[in-house]
Amino acid sequence: SQELEQSPQSLIVQEGKNLTINCTSSKTLYGLYWYKQKYGEGLIFLMMLQKGGEEKSHEKITAKLDEKKQQSSLHITASQPSHAGIYLCGAPPMIKAAGNKLTFGGGTRVLVKP
Amino acid sequence: DTGVSQDPRHKITKRGQNVTFRCDPISEHNRLYWYRQTLGQGPEFLTYFQNEAQLEKSRLLSDRFSAERPKGSFSTLEIQRTEQGDSAMYLCASSLTAGGRTDTQYFGPGTRLTVL
Repeated sequence: SQELEQSPQSLIVQEGKNLTINCTSSKTLYGLYWYKQKYGEGLIFLMMLQKGGEEKSHEKITAKLDEKKQQSSLHITASQPSHAGIYLCGAPPMIKAAGNKLTFGGGTRVLVKP
Repeated sequence: DTGVSQDPRHKITKRGQNVTFRCDPISEHNRLYWYRQTLGQGPEFLTYFQNEAQLEKSRLLSDRFSAERPKGSFSTLEIQRTEQGDSAMYLCASSLTAGGRTDTQYFGPGTRLTVL
């Protein structure tokens, strides 16, 4: 079965600094979703990547999928307190018939110090 | 366009009691997923429906758990004879699958279950 490992598990950054979160898969990824979760709440969709080498940006958040499709990174530029939360990567199964159930990493907890 | 809603948001129950949660997906979405998330972990898949058909169940879903989606719209997740290990956040998500392409899952706010 596929496993996703996120690093770091948690980080504290000073407001205005950049940060990067990594998500590494034990198998080739057939897609990779990034979500953000505020404590005790549901998941908010950020971005989805499918192709090797793909990069997407939204506001100050950029996500990349490496060429080999086994690692993704999420980069936040000039962090703000609103970026605080738990970031989760999730991957669909390689077999389409298996539906689109997502396997998630353990999450990265981000705290932004004002 | 309203998002995915879940009810209740919080549930405290005593061990051995039955509980039922409801999920209302985004209206045109034909797929509905249930996940469970324990503290400090990522969500784990429980089961999913395409319209009213339950297509897959995880091994995490013991026989004390049952899910339904009777008319292909809202879904319920029932846990019978709750145990303390059932304490978790139960998340519902929905997506639109059309032409073999599966779209993004959108999540509800979750139901936090505490079993005393």
